[in-house]
Amino acid sequence: KAGVTQTPRYLIKTRGQQVTLSCSPISGHRSVSWYQQTPGQGLQFLFEYFSETQRNKGNFPGRFSGRQFSNSRSEMNVSTLELGDSALYLCASSLVPLGTSYNEQFFGPGTRLTVL
Amino acid sequence: AQSVTQLDSHVSVSEGTPVLLRCNYSSSYSPSLFWYVQHPNKGLQLLLKYTSAATLVKGINGFEAEFKKSETSFHLTKPSAHMSDAAEYFCVVSDDQAGTALIFGKGTTLSVSS
Repeated sequence: KAGVTQTPRYLIKTRGQQVTLSCSPISGHRSVSWYQQTPGQGLQFLFEYFSETQRNKGNFPGRFSGRQFSNSRSEMNVSTLELGDSALYLCASSLVPLGTSYNEQFFGPGTRLTVL
Repeated sequence: AQSVTQLDSHVSVSEGTPVLLRCNYSSSYSPSLFWYVQHPNKGLQLLLKYTSAATLVKGINGFEAEFKKSETSFHLTKPSAHMSDAAEYFCVVSDDQAGTALIFGKGTTLSVSS
């Protein structure tokens, strides 16, 4: 069974631009969550989608948005990029939504975003 | 509110010696607790999880953790370290009743010397 895949793996953008990251979950998984990992803040939850609906959202500005398609693939968009958005963005998929007992998340390798 | 504190940012051990990575948590309800490992340039991999079944949880690669409610701790141990264990380890809490997201600790970097 293929794991979680994220594209692209590396991305360089400049301030003010926007970016879209993609995540393909494990086949059959309907929950996709996004996380931002930085050296200073560690791993922080961005949002979760389940069956095309956003279920949870972390404490991030509205510049960060996402969506999920009917095939469970998810995209994350960041508009008006700032230098502080440079981070590793991780996607995780699971069979059941976050907060469900025995929920187990499988992580992708991440997309390394650098904002210049 | 939930929180998780990893008490050591960096732990160094010699190959063949025991590993102890410490984690304390705070949760309003009965939490689910996890340990994840992240190798350089890789995603996170689940080592083990506690979901109120047995307090001693066995995971992959010889790791185990014990849930101690009285101490609000969930320390990760391994009897004998291997060079391949060198990585960053994250203790994670999930509040099932509140249905909230995973809360990650700041991470502990484990170094293993030969």
